[in-house]
Amino acid sequence: SQQGEEDPQALSIQEGENATMNCSYKTSINNLQWYRQNSGRGLVHLILIRSNEREKHSGRLRVTLDTSKKSSSLLITASRAADTASYFCATDISNFGNEKLTFGTGTRLTIIP
Amino acid sequence: GAGVSQSPRYKVAKRGQDVALRCDPISGHVSLFWYQQALGQGPEFLTYFQNEAQLDKSGLPSDRFFAERPEGSVSTLKIQRTQQEDSAVYLCASSFRDGVFTFGSGTRLTVV
Repeated sequence: SQQGEEDPQALSIQEGENATMNCSYKTSINNLQWYRQNSGRGLVHLILIRSNEREKHSGRLRVTLDTSKKSSSLLITASRAADTASYFCATDISNFGNEKLTFGTGTRLTIIP
Repeated sequence: GAGVSQSPRYKVAKRGQDVALRCDPISGHVSLFWYQQALGQGPEFLTYFQNEAQLDKSGLPSDRFFAERPEGSVSTLKIQRTQQEDSAVYLCASSFRDGVFTFGSGTRLTVV
């Protein structure tokens, strides 16, 4: 079963625009992570945000976490064609972290050159 | 190695055949995870090892699925008497202690 749901399911934007994806989850978490998956490949870790953090940045990525609403968002600024991929949020509900991750359904992002 | 290695990359099996999928994690990574990913879906958890101990196998869909990691490094996921619904990409991931997963490229299993 999926713990998280991403919204939207699919997103197409022009190169250079910003892309925002949202994730909602059901139970309390230790941390939430975002992963990218290019077609036919494995997942690549992008960023981890802990339950006591509200915002985190990494290069062109900005992640927010609202534990009261059980939701997170991923913002990719100044998008590039290479950002075309599927993006998944994943939650760790263990007490100490580093146990299984439960993935959402994913957002398929297409950047139009 | 530099990353998580999975083999074979593709496997076509006739229905009823047994298959074995291999995962070679990053050296020193304590935790190893297997996931199943259907087309257009997110990865679904199958099972998890810490060193050689299988700590959680709650996601294995049936008793036809079996995983092992006898020496705490390489892991094998075995599927007996494959069925068409087993067709999927099987992903392996390893993690040290920071909770960040490094995934392999997966094995695409097609049961015909």
